[in-house]
Amino acid sequence: EDKVVQSPLSLVVHEGDTVTLNCSYEVTNFRSLLWYKQEKKAPTFLFMLTSSGIEKKSGRLSSILDKKELFSILNITATQTGDSAVYLCAACRNNNDMRFGAGTRLTVKP
Amino acid sequence: GAGVSQSPSNKVTEKGKDVELRCDPISGHTALYWYRQSLGQGLEFLIYFQGNSAPDKSGLPSDRFSAERTGGSVSTLTIQRTQQEDSAVYLCASSLEATGYEKLFFGSGTQLSVL
Repeated sequence: EDKVVQSPLSLVVHEGDTVTLNCSYEVTNFRSLLWYKQEKKAPTFLFMLTSSGIEKKSGRLSSILDKKELFSILNITATQTGDSAVYLCAACRNNNDMRFGAGTRLTVKP
Repeated sequence: GAGVSQSPSNKVTEKGKDVELRCDPISGHTALYWYRQSLGQGLEFLIYFQGNSAPDKSGLPSDRFSAERTGGSVSTLTIQRTQQEDSAVYLCASSLEATGYEKLFFGSGTQLSVL
C-alpha cells in the first residue's frame, strides 16, 4: 500500500532556530515529491523535487530528495513566527495521483 | 476566476441527510482533485479528474460518496446519508499540465459538520 510518512508530527522552536522536517515515501510508479505549506485551509506550493541530490532553494527554505533511500527533507533556517504552519509532503505518481502525508505542525515562538 | 472557488465554505447538516459540495477550478485547468482533511490530520485523497479520462475514484471511502465534473470544469462532490465521521474539511485543487500537474492550487475548502 502506498504511504507517505512525515516526522515529527509537531515541532515547537524559537525564532532564529533551524528546523529539518522529514518525509519518507513508499509509492508505486513514483514521479515527484512535493512540499506544501498550510497556514489556514488552502495549502500553498513550496517545492517539487524529481531528481536525487539536487537542492531546491527559496529564501530560507530548501529541500532535497533521496530516491534511493526514499525520503526528502525540508530545511528552514533562521525561522520566523510567520513560518508557523503545517508542512505537507506529497508523493506524485506517474498518473498524476498525489498522496499526502499527515503533515508536520511547526510552531515558531517569538 | 482568479483562484479555485469552493462553496459553501461551511455546511452543517443532520446525520442521514445528503450534501453537495461544489468546486469551481481555475479556468483552463484540466486536472481536478478532491481531498478530505479531518481535524489535525493530513490530506486524504478522494478522487481525481483529468480531462476527458475516466476519473480515479480509488480514494472514495464508501459508495455514499460520488463526484462528477461537468463540461471539464465545475465539480460536485456528493455525500449521501451523511454520518458523523464524514465531518471534515473537504478541499478541492486544480492544476494545469503546462505548469506541472503536481503544482496544485487549492480552494479554501468546505467545512462539513454532521450533527
